[in-house]
Amino acid sequence: GAVVSQHPSWVICKSGTSVKIECRSLDFQATTMFWYRQFPKQSLMLMATSNEGSKATYEQGVEKDKFLINHASLTLSTLTVTSAHPEDSSFYICSAPTTGTSAQNEQFFGPGTRLTVL
Amino acid sequence: QKEVEQDPGPLSVPEGAIVSLNCTYSNSAFQYFMWYRQYSRKGPELLMYTYSSGNKEDGRFTAQVDKSSKYISLFIRDSQPSDSATYLCAMKVTGTASKLTFGTGTRLQVTL
Repeated sequence: GAVVSQHPSWVICKSGTSVKIECRSLDFQATTMFWYRQFPKQSLMLMATSNEGSKATYEQGVEKDKFLINHASLTLSTLTVTSAHPEDSSFYICSAPTTGTSAQNEQFFGPGTRLTVL
Repeated sequence: QKEVEQDPGPLSVPEGAIVSLNCTYSNSAFQYFMWYRQYSRKGPELLMYTYSSGNKEDGRFTAQVDKSSKYISLFIRDSQPSDSATYLCAMKVTGTASKLTFGTGTRLQVTL
């Protein structure tokens, strides 16, 4: 299957600082990527859809000024958590669907980034 | 009512048992149905991908979709301790990059 990577895999930061998380599709191009947040023992919650060359689409209740998304190229999307606070501590996961003529357009996930805000 | 309902478990079975995991949904527009496996502190891994109704088999895994009942299942034969994980069902409507709607996930524990 296709490979999606994330960096860093974990990060600890002080309250008030900003943290950038990278999501890369390694062997395919992704015009769209998705960012999720997952709290312990809960399912994935979609935060936003990242679109290459245009603005991201945020889900209801997600602050766009706090979670900045940039889809810089067809293989890279970044999520920046600005002025992070302890309640932002979570597991952040990105995914990317494959594109092309296949009807399936399978979606592959990155390994996730664990953010801890002190 | 949630769009996708899934029993969170936990589900505990002995090694070698047949496991049945299920999800129900309410949106009849869903056309693509997926099962993901997620180990603790890892990203979800795609296990099975099914379009519309029918069965799909891959090794010890069988996915079933019954669109008339809005019900999907994942069967695991000869379960192994390494199958212990959270299993998430997901589904989406037709479209190249349409977003996935997830169930809450079922935690499975396969014991020796």
